[in-house]
Amino acid sequence: EVQLLESGGGLVQPGGSLRLSCEASGFTFSNYAMNWVRQAPGKGLEWVSVTYIGGRTTHYADSVKGRFTISRDNSKSTLYLQMDSLRADDTAVYYCAKEKGGYTLDDLDCWGQGTLVTVSS
Amino acid sequence: DIQMTQSPSTLSASVGDRVTITCRASQSISGWLAWYQQKPGKAPKLLISAASTLESGVPSRFSGSGSGSATEFTLTISSLQPDDVASYYCQHYSSYPPTFGGGTKVEI
Repeated sequence: EVQLLESGGGLVQPGGSLRLSCEASGFTFSNYAMNWVRQAPGKGLEWVSVTYIGGRTTHYADSVKGRFTISRDNSKSTLYLQMDSLRADDTAVYYCAKEKGGYTLDDLDCWGQGTLVTVSS
Repeated sequence: DIQMTQSPSTLSASVGDRVTITCRASQSISGWLAWYQQKPGKAPKLLISAASTLESGVPSRFSGSGSGSATEFTLTISSLQPDDVASYYCQHYSSYPPTFGGGTKVEI
């Protein structure tokens, strides 16, 4: 069974940093692109970032570019999101999501349960 | 960036009703559209890919339409069931960023 388990969320002050992790199981992690998608409380879904199979190709939403860094460790089947210079509007549930493919943009066929990040003083 | 506009934002219908949700793209997305269902407090679930391909295990009462050069896409629930109470989101994946629509909350 494909499973994604996020961790690392919590309360952080504005300007602070946090690193999210997403541990994958049930599939060959290194063969698939992986994404982060977030959802602010009571709001819709917002795509955040993607990393492709080798980890060298990444893309970011303009809202997080320069502040967030996506990475992956294929040997540990784990996806990361390093979040720096956090702002109040980064408060959201962060989901990791697996793409159907590994090389080009594709839909998201498996999602984790999410981890809540709250940015507040 | 391609903008995705969903309508309506909220929909109330009765059990057994046919329900249609519309998603409009600000430019052609060549049919690269997915529909997700999100139940309260849960993660989204992929229902339909490539505008009209039903994912494995998804009930056949769900269907999607729109393709090719179309910019308007629909998700239809042919006979609404209590288990379908959820929010539904479209997402294009034709270019970066792969934006989501604003969502449609379906109530009974």
